[in-house]
Amino acid sequence: AQTVTQSQPEMSVQEAETVTLSCTYDTSESNYYLFWYKQPPSRQMILVIRQEAYKQQNATENRFSVNFQKAAKSFSLKISDSQLGDTAMYFCAFMKHNAGNMLTFGGGTRLMVKP
Amino acid sequence: DSGVTQTPKHLITATGQRVTLRCSPRSGDLSVYWYQQSLDQGLQFLIQYYNGEERAKGNILERFSAQQFPDLHSELNLSSLELGDSALYFCASSDGDREETSERNQPQHFGDGTRLSIL
Repeated sequence: AQTVTQSQPEMSVQEAETVTLSCTYDTSESNYYLFWYKQPPSRQMILVIRQEAYKQQNATENRFSVNFQKAAKSFSLKISDSQLGDTAMYFCAFMKHNAGNMLTFGGGTRLMVKP
Repeated sequence: DSGVTQTPKHLITATGQRVTLRCSPRSGDLSVYWYQQSLDQGLQFLIQYYNGEERAKGNILERFSAQQFPDLHSELNLSSLELGDSALYFCASSDGDREETSERNQPQHFGDGTRLSIL
């Protein structure tokens, strides 16, 4: 079974600064997908970014980027130029390679962006 | 808007009762997933359906059941409700349950959830 660990329950960052959220996972799979989901106070689950394990290049989506270290089983999320709207819970999630598999989530990191 | 529709948004009921949560997946998505988000257990996978058939089970209690209908909408039935069942229940959908290239492997998209409160 896979496990996902987010070691930072809460973090804060000043508006316009950069913050990095940590995620580690444990799996015996060689091919898989990793995701970051954002859950704002509205409780929606919004996909932020995803990474295929077989790709060495780190994924980037506008101000969001990841640092994927496969050997270390680490998948951190970097948010650049933080905005007030980035305030949310962030969940790291793992999915085995085959499309249609369930997500295994970490416990989440609550991020507060301060003006 | 994710395209996944969940109803109702809120549900308040009493212990021992039975409720049904409904989910309509995004157009074209064949897989539906149910997740439970509670304060003590976090986000947990409950069950998955693909094109009407059960495909995977997670930490789903025997008091809970689900099904996916021919029009691909899904229902999650919760019975003999207990206080601990109070949670946010999410439905998610994706486009498949098959080997695909990463370019075609679409991630799961979540509905807005149903907030279940047991009094």
